[in-house]
Amino acid sequence: SQTIHQWPATLVQPVGSPLSLECTVEGTSNPNLYWYRQAAGRGLQLLFYSVGIGQISSEVPQNLSASRPQDRQFILSSKKLLLSDSGFYLCAWAGGGYGYTFGSGTRLTVV
Amino acid sequence: RKEVEQDPGPFNVPEGATVAFNCTYSNSASQSFFWYRQDCRKEPKLLMSVYSSGNEDGRFTAQLNRASQYISLLIRDSKLSDSATYLCVVGGGGNKLTFGTGTQLKVEL
Repeated sequence: SQTIHQWPATLVQPVGSPLSLECTVEGTSNPNLYWYRQAAGRGLQLLFYSVGIGQISSEVPQNLSASRPQDRQFILSSKKLLLSDSGFYLCAWAGGGYGYTFGSGTRLTVV
Repeated sequence: RKEVEQDPGPFNVPEGATVAFNCTYSNSASQSFFWYRQDCRKEPKLLMSVYSSGNEDGRFTAQLNRASQYISLLIRDSKLSDSATYLCVVGGGGNKLTFGTGTQLKVEL
């Protein structure tokens, strides 16, 4: 069965520090992968999606970047975090027309 | 206009009540529809897909009206464990999904 792993679960980072969040998927190949952010009291905002290795589409201009170095690995990064980058970051993969399966998320607080 | 709109609630209902959530979407070309459930500080999880003919899964019934661009979720015989935020989700082409901001449900004794 397919599983999606995301880490770390929580992160507190100072303003201006770098960020790297990793997401890996098991049990499937060539998945469509997504990064979403959910700010406090708000809906899920699509940040990036990827349909294959090295293929990244950005949905909104922002302080973040994404990379897909391997088929089942999706990484969200920032060189310098802003206070506004705080939120709940969710990785998801799409399988077979049955919606998305989400990772357990990373709660990022920028201080 | 938001792509997917939901009443944020909260809906406070007693155990055993029937509650209905509504959702509207703006893109008439949308192709797939879902309801997700999100517990506090957890990731969203797929509750059910929504089909044009309507579909039922136990106490949960989902309906889709493409002409009115309207989706609904009905929960019968509410349980305390149903307390959560329910997200209306709409998909266009290319496997991209757009999430509503969610409707919060609180089931009380």
